[in-house]
Amino acid sequence: NAGVMQNPRHLVRRRGQEARLRCSPVKGHSHVYWYRQLPEEGLKFMVYLQKENIIDESGMPKERFSAEFPKEGPSILRIQQVVRGDSAAYFCASSPRGGRSSYEQYFGPGTRLTVT
Amino acid sequence: EDQVTQSPEALRLQEGESSSLNCSYTVSGLRGLFWYRQDPGKGPEFLFTLYSAGEEKEKERLKATLTKKESFLHITAPKPEDSATYLCAVQASSNFNKFYFGSGTKLNVKP
Repeated sequence: NAGVMQNPRHLVRRRGQEARLRCSPVKGHSHVYWYRQLPEEGLKFMVYLQKENIIDESGMPKERFSAEFPKEGPSILRIQQVVRGDSAAYFCASSPRGGRSSYEQYFGPGTRLTVT
Repeated sequence: EDQVTQSPEALRLQEGESSSLNCSYTVSGLRGLFWYRQDPGKGPEFLFTLYSAGEEKEKERLKATLTKKESFLHITAPKPEDSATYLCAVQASSNFNKFYFGSGTKLNVKP
C-alpha cells in the first residue's frame, strides 16, 4: 500500500519564480491537508481540501498562495512569485475522513523549498 | 486563541532512563489530541489519538495519557532508536478543520 507521496522532494527557485508542489494522498483518502514547517518550529496549518473543494484556507496567505485538489490527479500547492521567506518544508497529509470524524492524518515526506 | 505548548524543547536520556514529555493545550473544546513522531528529513508518523480526560494509550515503550489541560507521553526504558522529535497536535470542537501543532520535543537517547 502506497502512503502519501509528495514531489518534488527538493525544489530550488529564484525569487519571483513559481513553485508547484504536488501531493498524492493514500489511495481511498479524499481529505488533504497542507502544512508548512520552518526549522525548529512546529507544523503550521495552511489549507484543508476535499475533492474539488477548499474547505478551510484560513492558514494560507491570501496573496501568492493557492491550492487545489481536482477530481482526478494530485493535490497542488502553488506559490507564485516566491520570496526568501517562503523557504520551508511543506508537508501534505491525507485522511480517510475529516471534520467531525477527528481522524489521524498520514503525512508525506515533504517538499523542501529553497528560494535563492 | 487555541494554543499548544510542548516541553521540554529538548531532552537527552541515557538508554533505559525513563521520562515524560508534556503537551499543554488551550482550545475551545477538545475534539482530539494526537501524538506523532518525526525523524529528521521525514514527515510525521502517527502514534496515538486521545479523545477524553483519563484516556490512556500504549504502544511498545510509549504510553500517552490525557487530562483536561495536558497530555503526557511517557517513555519507559528508551532505546537509541526512540530518538526523534515528538509532536502533539489538537483538534478543537470549535473548528474541526484545523489541527494545531506544538513545536515538538527533540529526544536524544544515548546508548
